[in-house]
Amino acid sequence: AQKITQTQPGMFVQEKEAVTLDCTYDTSDQSYGLFWYKQPSSGEMIFLIYQGSYDEQNATEGRYSLNFQKARKSANLVISASQLGDSAMYFCAMREGAGNTPLVFGKGTRLSVIA
Amino acid sequence: SQTIHQWPATLVQPVGSPLSLECTVEGTSNPNLYWYRQAAGRGLQLLFYSVGIGQISSEVPQNLSASRPQDRQFILSSKKLLLSDSGFYLCAWSVGTVGGNTIYFGEGSWLTVV
Repeated sequence: AQKITQTQPGMFVQEKEAVTLDCTYDTSDQSYGLFWYKQPSSGEMIFLIYQGSYDEQNATEGRYSLNFQKARKSANLVISASQLGDSAMYFCAMREGAGNTPLVFGKGTRLSVIA
Repeated sequence: SQTIHQWPATLVQPVGSPLSLECTVEGTSNPNLYWYRQAAGRGLQLLFYSVGIGQISSEVPQNLSASRPQDRQFILSSKKLLLSDSGFYLCAWSVGTVGGNTIYFGEGSWLTVV
């Protein structure tokens, strides 16, 4: 079974608008972490934001925020005031347990920002 | 500050030829190291990870192998490449065992098997 599901293969957003990228996860662990990465066309993977399963507040990093709904097992990424440079693939990922275990990634969402 | 270097950046190899991709982390000790593969237009698939020298965990049975001869060096190898080995290979690192530890990625290596 998929541990990370990203149901939107592609999304379009107008410049300066906000956009939400969906991510749902599946785990029976109580301790886990959720991550979002950005991959521009160059291929590099850029860490954006992290949310721990015990964190009560939603994580925020600049224009990025993570809408964490634990009961629904969702960890959506919200990008506010979209910029042309935000056009990229976005991956949701999860780590279960200790911090030396690998991340499991979703299949990604391609975001295109339109001028 | 910590940096990760991965090479070569691009390579084209014939079917049946060997492969060696190398990854080195600088500025930290005892990192956790990972190899991921990304097929065209797909997500990241974990291939191997290592929490210490000589400790390799394999996630996917295939004709690839990994070694960690030094603390900060991680090598991905194959004796005979298949067409299906084509893809984008990413080395990554993290430090410690705290759940929030971020994994940081190298620049990646584009492999085309012809």
